[in-house]
Amino acid sequence: DAGVIQSPRHEVTEMGQEVTLRCKPISGHNSLFWYRQTMMRGLELLIYFNNNVPIDDSGMPEDRFSAKMPNASFSTLKIQPSEPRDSAVYFCASSPSGGGANTGELFFGEGSRLTVL
Amino acid sequence: SQKIEQNSEALNIQEGKTATLTCNYTNYSPAYLQWYRQDPGRGPVFLLLIRENEKEKRKERLKVTFDTTLKQSLFHITASQPADSATYLCALEYSDTGKLIFGQGTTLQVKP
Repeated sequence: DAGVIQSPRHEVTEMGQEVTLRCKPISGHNSLFWYRQTMMRGLELLIYFNNNVPIDDSGMPEDRFSAKMPNASFSTLKIQPSEPRDSAVYFCASSPSGGGANTGELFFGEGSRLTVL
Repeated sequence: SQKIEQNSEALNIQEGKTATLTCNYTNYSPAYLQWYRQDPGRGPVFLLLIRENEKEKRKERLKVTFDTTLKQSLFHITASQPADSATYLCALEYSDTGKLIFGQGTTLQVKP
């Protein structure tokens, strides 16, 4: 198995531009998570899905952020418009469990490093 | 609100010694706790999971304890090696939501 695949690995953009990050979870996994990591705040949970349905998006910073999971093998995290404070590494992770209680082990992708100038 | 605390200062130890990392949490009783390893420029990698009814879990040179009274987990690496140098993250699931929340991590440096 190729593991969780994220793209792009690096993105440099200018303030105000739209950014779309993509994630392909491990086949057969039921839960998908988006995290953001910065030196100051560590690894923050943005949103997670179970069986393609968003369960908790309370970590999404503001309306500029949106996430979708149109099917079991693909998810996107979109930032529109982007701002310099959005600069971070964005991780996608998937889990084989059914979500809810006992989410279990997460399998992380290698992350997408976003720089907003 | 839930809070997870890990030693923010890096832990420097000599090769062969036992490294002990601490994870403290407040305001909640998680169903279980996990430990991950993260290398620079990489995603976190799962190491161990311990449930609230387990006191201790072992895997090769790794040992995790979970004290729900103290609200603390200890992560031990015995016979440490330079290759163990990394950042170690603890994570808690809040069972009523399924959310997995991470601590800030502790960086371990093992010197030869």
